[in-house]
Amino acid sequence: NAGVTQTPKFQVLKTGQSMTLQCAQDMNHEYMSWYRQDPGMGLRLIHYSVGAGITDQGEVPNGYNVSRSTTEDFPLRLLSAAPSQTSVYFCASSSDRTSGNTIYFGEGSWLTVV
Amino acid sequence: AQSVAQPEDQVNVAEGNPLTVKCTYSVSGNPYLFWYVQYPNRGLQFLLKYITGDNLVKGSYGFEAEFNKSQTSFHLKKPSALVSDSALYFCAVRDGYSSASKIIFGSGTRLSIRP
Repeated sequence: NAGVTQTPKFQVLKTGQSMTLQCAQDMNHEYMSWYRQDPGMGLRLIHYSVGAGITDQGEVPNGYNVSRSTTEDFPLRLLSAAPSQTSVYFCASSSDRTSGNTIYFGEGSWLTVV
Repeated sequence: AQSVAQPEDQVNVAEGNPLTVKCTYSVSGNPYLFWYVQYPNRGLQFLLKYITGDNLVKGSYGFEAEFNKSQTSFHLKKPSALVSDSALYFCAVRDGYSSASKIIFGSGTRLSIRP
């Protein structure tokens, strides 16, 4: 059982570059989300999706785009990376129907913008 | 708008003593509440959740939490702390009124258990 898979695990970007963090889940969860974790700030919600074709903004959406073309995948795009986006990123999924709302997390992606 | 607060950045407890990590929340509808633990350089591990039913919820590693609707709290507790419980703990809330609601996490509480 793969669960929630995030790639890459580590990435260094130059300011202004773009990249996509990939997230895939194989549990048929309707809810997927992206968080960033910074020291002293906890986990802050970037974007979330309650189903294929539906996305919405979280607490800190600026500088990030998402799409949800399939139930399984929820990529996070950094359009023009900035040093303020240096963080650890976590993808998560859950389901009202199949996981009793338990949230499953990926292992995290460490991103450094120089 | 929903929110969750963990008022203590750090909690220090001696091994063998009871521990409490505090969490308060605000939602429009019925809250779905969660506790997660994070060890250094790792992802988040599920401890327990409250969706409905009994206010006292038992979870992994001997942890439990009590849902208190009048105080809008969901404090995490353990009767006897272990050094291995030292980690970062997160409380989270979802507004159960809507399936389109988001899941919000608190800022985290670092639990330190001294031998």
